[in-house]
Amino acid sequence: QSALTQPPSASGTPGQRVTISCSVSSSNIGNNPVFWYQQLPGAAPRLLIYNSIERPSGVPDRFSGSKSGTSASLAISGLQSEDEADYYCAAWDDTLYTWLFAGGTKLTVL
Amino acid sequence: EVQLLESGGDLVQPGGSLRLSCAASGFRFDNYAMVWVRQAPGKGLEWVGTIIGSGAAAYYAGSVKGRFGISRDNSKSTMYLQLSDLSAEDTAVYYCAMSPTLFAGLFHWGQGTLVAVS
Repeated sequence: QSALTQPPSASGTPGQRVTISCSVSSSNIGNNPVFWYQQLPGAAPRLLIYNSIERPSGVPDRFSGSKSGTSASLAISGLQSEDEADYYCAAWDDTLYTWLFAGGTKLTVL
Repeated sequence: EVQLLESGGDLVQPGGSLRLSCAASGFRFDNYAMVWVRQAPGKGLEWVGTIIGSGAAAYYAGSVKGRFGISRDNSKSTMYLQLSDLSAEDTAVYYCAMSPTLFAGLFHWGQGTLVAVS
């Protein structure tokens, strides 16, 4: 079982609010913050959320993160067509000194 | 403006070696950890390794430990990834990224360079 698990796909219509979950199963990272990355088609990933809830400058406030216990979520409100992308959650394992990525969620805007 | 530019990707035979470079600009290079992440065709992101700002320590994913080596030349604001004993499973786009610390998140990414092993 992977240490971080996301649903493989999600979808929504323009204007809708969608959430993508990230389940943490490893005790090594259960208390650590979660990071979210967006990868638009054909592009490099970019950091969307850090420390579970913070947004880097330039990221619209339509994107928000939350974490409770071993579950984290990325919420996108006011969904737009340009939000169609792959989204990855990640966490740092401070026992093994490794970054762990989940398998990614492909978001489709219908 | 932060810029990261990877280079060195190529087609290489199984068992071969390659060195990738990541040239950085727009920030104080030696203040930041630098990271390699790869993405196999049609697959998700996989962390490869991280080197701290001084270059004194590097950490690797189990899948590459003993075969890959990360180094940096802070005088040139450049990080390197030495790949050896390559197999088809190493075929991927290799991205470099920068982070304020080992665990602070990957705040800026390059556009990637393709390594194909065949």
